[in-house]
Amino acid sequence: NAGVTQTPKFRVLKTGQSMTLLCAQDMNHEYMYWYRQDPGMGLRLIHYSVGEGTTAKGEVPDGYNVSRLKKQNFLLGLESAAPSQTSVYFCASSPIGQGAGYTFGSGTRLTVV
Amino acid sequence: GQSLEQPSEVTAVEGAIVQINCTYQTSGFYGLSWYQQHDGGAPTFLSYNGLDGLEETGRFSSFLSRSDSYGYLLLQELQMKDSASYFCAVSVGGDYKLSFGAGTTVTVRA
Repeated sequence: NAGVTQTPKFRVLKTGQSMTLLCAQDMNHEYMYWYRQDPGMGLRLIHYSVGEGTTAKGEVPDGYNVSRLKKQNFLLGLESAAPSQTSVYFCASSPIGQGAGYTFGSGTRLTVV
Repeated sequence: GQSLEQPSEVTAVEGAIVQINCTYQTSGFYGLSWYQQHDGGAPTFLSYNGLDGLEETGRFSSFLSRSDSYGYLLLQELQMKDSASYFCAVSVGGDYKLSFGAGTTVTVRA
């Protein structure tokens, strides 16, 4: 099983450009999440989804949009990239159940110049 | 919001025992999880405590005291491959989203 796959793995954007990060999971998980990780700050939740067609805001949603049109895919969009969005982005999925644990993708390293 | 505190760094020798403490302040607490991350790669799930007490998984154990808003991860018989960052995370609310601490970097020396 592939688990959680993120594309692309690396990207450099110019300020003001837009892009979409794709997350795909093949475990039939209901829940999906987008986090960003910055040095010394752990992982912060951007947006999440509790099922196909649903999305909700996390801790740091400004400047990002998401969509979950299919259960296995969760897209993160940056409409107008800013240097403050330089970060490593992780997608995760989980089944229903508090103790189930997240499965994370390998991350997308984004630099905005 | 939520706040979690854990030490930033711990160093120990092979074969030793390391305890990583995590204190949290939050409302609507469901449970405490622990994740391991090697060299900025994908974090991996280690353990979850929803009730007070100790959970053991091989060389790793995790403890929770809900009344003290405190938990810890215990790493026993340390190996070089245990050098990594370890994150505690609180589960808040009924939709399973996690809030993570800043992480503890564990360095294992020969």
